[in-house]
Amino acid sequence: GAGVSQSPSNKVTEKGKDVELRCDPISGHTALYWYRQSLGQGLEFLIYFQGNSAPDKSGLPSDRFSAERTGGSVSTLTIQRTQQEDSAVYLCASGGDYNEQFFGPGTRLTVL
Amino acid sequence: GESVGLHLPTLSVQEGDNSIINCAYSNSASDYFIWYKQESGKGPQFIIDIRSNMDKRQGQRVTVLLNKTVKHLSLQIAATQPGDSAVYFCAETHSWGKLQFGAGTQVVVTP
Repeated sequence: GAGVSQSPSNKVTEKGKDVELRCDPISGHTALYWYRQSLGQGLEFLIYFQGNSAPDKSGLPSDRFSAERTGGSVSTLTIQRTQQEDSAVYLCASGGDYNEQFFGPGTRLTVL
Repeated sequence: GESVGLHLPTLSVQEGDNSIINCAYSNSASDYFIWYKQESGKGPQFIIDIRSNMDKRQGQRVTVLLNKTVKHLSLQIAATQPGDSAVYFCAETHSWGKLQFGAGTQVVVTP
């Protein structure tokens, strides 16, 4: 079966531009998470969707970051007015009944 | 959360030997602890988890030990193989919500 997919795999943008990162979770998974991984560092939680509940946005670093999940499936993470410190790998994970989180391959974002 | 630097701690282990990777966690309320393996260019891959009411759990070639007294978690890999070379992260969670990750350990398996 298909795992979590993310697109694009790589994104290079100029400082100040907006970017959208997409996550396609495993079909049927009700939970979806976004994490950020800076070079050589661990993973930092950003946001968590669970079913129809209000998302846990406690990890979003600034109001330039937002995410939505349409129809309980695909999610888009949007970063407005990108800054160089936003450069990182953005990882999406989805979770099923057991809530084990399955990660996608990530989107490597480079802000010039 | 934990602060991390740019250089991951590295564990070098000879092929066939056992590996032990250690992790300190921070939240006494965490009820699940998980180990992930991340190979270069890929997302983290689940290895094994353990509930907070357990102190040991075994999987295939891996064993996780939990010491709640000192908030310490370890992953033991038996008969380490070249394919085990990766970065290993511990993570903690409460009620399987968001994961809080540790800094990671680079494991290098030498022939």
